[in-house]
Amino acid sequence: EPEVTQTPSHQVTQMGQEVILRCVPISNHLYFYWYRQILGQKVEFLVSFYNNEISEKSEIFDDQFSVERPDGSNFTLKIRSTKLEDSAMYFCASRRDSPGGLRGQYFGPGTRLTVT
Amino acid sequence: TQLLEQSPQFLSIQEGENLTVYCNSSSVFSSLQWYRQEPGEGPVLLVTVVTGGEVKKLKRLTFQFGDARKDSSLHITAAQPGDTGLYLCAGALAVGGGSNYKLTFGKGTLLTVNP
Repeated sequence: EPEVTQTPSHQVTQMGQEVILRCVPISNHLYFYWYRQILGQKVEFLVSFYNNEISEKSEIFDDQFSVERPDGSNFTLKIRSTKLEDSAMYFCASRRDSPGGLRGQYFGPGTRLTVT
Repeated sequence: TQLLEQSPQFLSIQEGENLTVYCNSSSVFSSLQWYRQEPGEGPVLLVTVVTGGEVKKLKRLTFQFGDARKDSSLHITAAQPGDTGLYLCAGALAVGGGSNYKLTFGKGTLLTVNP
């Protein structure tokens, strides 16, 4: 069964450094998402991407964050200058095209980002 | 801010017992999705319920969406140790026009089924 994959599984970086988290969504999916989960807290929506542009972003997704789909398979999240509070699990998700809400989102295994 | 409240937060039961987990909100959702999450892993989609009053079954798991599409429940019959895990509900909220949506998650119910 097709799966969403994410790399790396764990990334350690120093405060102020740039990181790029990578995702390969399921191949026939058209909607792509990033969520994050700070340890012990709820999964939170960051951004939605469709038709090569951001369709919605949360308050967390400020100017330090960007997303890109550089080719037909990868979907990336870049954090330009990491802060300690960016430490979290970052999940990529994707879903098929369908009327809103009918199709569930499929999540990757996550990248654990640790900012020191 | 749309909130999803899950209850109970923790549940510890014996193998063979039945249980129900609740997910409540004051907001109306276009769908409600249930996930199971293992420690250090991503949420795994169990089911999507869309229509008010809808009931879906997945083996011993029964999912129900409230008539007003604001709440949902997950009922497990004859729980087994393999059912142990964190169960998350997530409400779909339309964004950006068209058919797109984002998920807002509850905090989850941590279920432990003892042999």
